[in-house]
Amino acid sequence: GESVGLHLPTLSVQEGDNSIINCAYSNSASDYFIWYKQESGKGPQFIIDIRSNMDKRQGQRVTVLLNKTVKHLSLQIAATQPGDSAVYFCAERVGTYKYIFGTGTRLKVLA
Amino acid sequence: DAGVTQSPTHLIKTRGQQVTLRCSPKSGHDTVSWYQQALGQGPQFIFQYYEEEERQRGNFPDRFSGHQFPNYSSELNVNALLLGDSALYLCASSLSSGRAIDTQYFGPGTRLTVL
Repeated sequence: GESVGLHLPTLSVQEGDNSIINCAYSNSASDYFIWYKQESGKGPQFIIDIRSNMDKRQGQRVTVLLNKTVKHLSLQIAATQPGDSAVYFCAERVGTYKYIFGTGTRLKVLA
Repeated sequence: DAGVTQSPTHLIKTRGQQVTLRCSPKSGHDTVSWYQQALGQGPQFIFQYYEEEERQRGNFPDRFSGHQFPNYSSELNVNALLLGDSALYLCASSLSSGRAIDTQYFGPGTRLTVL
């Protein structure tokens, strides 16, 4: 399939290490945020979400941190695996129905 | 439980033609949003349909139009195609009724190439 994100920022991590992917969002009024994973040739896949009234939320091997003061989101992936290799996008809900996506980060897991 | 499905998978058109893309939402979902994703970029919001009406639109020209059917499926139409319309078109479905948070789930996309 075609490649997603040919010129995106790339984060390379060793298999088994923890990964941290960062995202700066644009609208201080955004109340809901989602991290998506997109593999080549596929649509974005939901990973984890967080509401603006929270600072941290944990899932299975993933944690999202929200810093509203500096409008920053991060996605932490524990014990990164080869299957985690993909492009990761953060999305913020602006208004009631519209989502704005970040530019994306390519995660490469090195064996 | 079927996820979001889109058709066709790939499509090749020439400039000036018109195209229709189709989306079936995830079972139980009532809302469909369409996005355009150019190569190397994040998805950009085109519009959202709920109760068979467009309820929000992104910064796209009127050449982009849509429709939602009573069974919640949706179509995206693009008229007078331009080379710059070449992209991956993504459909996302969610459940709006009675919910404050409408997490969107995406389909695999339709790759449109305009020659």
